Amino acid sequence: SQTIHQWPATLVQPVGSPLSLECTVEGTSNPNLYWYRQAAGRGLQLLFYSVGIGQISSEVPQNLSASRPQDRQFILSSKKLLLSDSGFYLCAWGKGRAYYTFGSGTRLTVV
Amino acid sequence: AQTVTQSQPEMSVQEAETVTLSCTYDTSESDYYLFWYKQPPSRQMILVIRQEAYKQQNATENRFSVNFQKAAKSFSLKISDSQLGDAAMYFCAYRFSGNTPLVFGKGTRLSVIA
Repeated sequence: SQTIHQWPATLVQPVGSPLSLECTVEGTSNPNLYWYRQAAGRGLQLLFYSVGIGQISSEVPQNLSASRPQDRQFILSSKKLLLSDSGFYLCAWGKGRAYYTFGSGTRLTVV
Repeated sequence: AQTVTQSQPEMSVQEAETVTLSCTYDTSESDYYLFWYKQPPSRQMILVIRQEAYKQQNATENRFSVNFQKAAKSFSLKISDSQLGDAAMYFCAYRFSGNTPLVFGKGTRLSVIA
């Protein structure tokens, strides 16, 4: 069966520090991978998605970036965090006509 | 651009009663999918039910069912025999065929009153 792992679960970082959130999928190959952000009390905003290794599509211009160094690994990064980067980050995967499955999320607080 | 609208920010229902959450969407595509996701306090996103646009029959999953009106671009969720564990944020989502991302509505917070 397929599983998705996302870590860390909680992160408190100072303004200006770097960020690295990791997401991995097991039990499938060449999944489509997605990063979403959810601000407090709001809906989900698509940040990045990838349909293959090294292929990244960005939906929102900001100081975040994403990379896909391996088939089932998706990384969200920042060189310098802003207060506005605080939120709940969710990774998801999907393939073909199937629904998308989400990881358990990372709660990021920038202080 | 595709948009999903949930016009009810908050809803409440008595335990064991039925509640309907509304969702409308805007698209020019003919082949697409619609979903309802549940987000409990743990914030884990859980798929509740899905509907493929080409299927005329409304999807049903136990106590959850949808009313899919393709011409009206409406996709409402009905929860029957509501339980305390149904209390959560509910998100309506859409995507068209291919490797396309999900587009979400802003969500409806459902409270269940004992």
